[in-house]
Amino acid sequence: SAVISQKPSRDICQRGTSLTIQCQVDSQVTMMFWYRQQPGQSLTLIATANQGSEATYESGFVIDKFPISRPNLTFSTLTVSNMSPEDSSIYLCSVQDGTYEQYFGPGTRLTVT
Amino acid sequence: AQSVTQLGSHVSVSEGALVLLRCNYSSSVPPYLFWYVQYPNQGLQLLLKYTSAATLVKGINGFEAEFKKSETSFHLTKPSAHMSDAAEYFCAGNAGGTSYGKLTFGQGTILTVHP
Repeated sequence: SAVISQKPSRDICQRGTSLTIQCQVDSQVTMMFWYRQQPGQSLTLIATANQGSEATYESGFVIDKFPISRPNLTFSTLTVSNMSPEDSSIYLCSVQDGTYEQYFGPGTRLTVT
Repeated sequence: AQSVTQLGSHVSVSEGALVLLRCNYSSSVPPYLFWYVQYPNQGLQLLLKYTSAATLVKGINGFEAEFKKSETSFHLTKPSAHMSDAAEYFCAGNAGGTSYGKLTFGQGTILTVHP
């Protein structure tokens, strides 16, 4: 199984600012994913990030709001831009191995004031 | 499009009692199904997965789930609840194909275990 770390673990940000979340994996993986978990809600997929290509966004999520980088096979970043209180959520990255098992990072708890 | 439905947002059981968490899916193709557990202020941990092999899947911590195609269900069970099982449980599905890797999650079920 993959071990995933995220930075920061939590942050409190002012509206209108941006926050970049880092995701580091202990092994090389092709597919990485970013999810959002709003307070009291389930997880929703934001985008798929594959190394060497543009991220693929799900309906309701756009690159201008959630730009993603994937510079290599072990690292990715998600930026939450021009934040509003509605962006207060837990953001999780995940990776999938060849057996369809998907492993999640510990999450970044974001509060926007 | 695939959807995953968990019946019951809260389930409460006594320690030692049977745990049954319900999950139904809708999909036009045989899905890959998963159960995850999330403890407070932690990430998700994979409990078990179904990937079209055996229909009865055994996972960690004594949990198991049975894939029933006729009922489009993948309910999670544990014969005897332990206090440490108190957490939120998510059922998730992946339709495969062009949706490879994209998990659709149910709404989650909070399990409470009381003495």
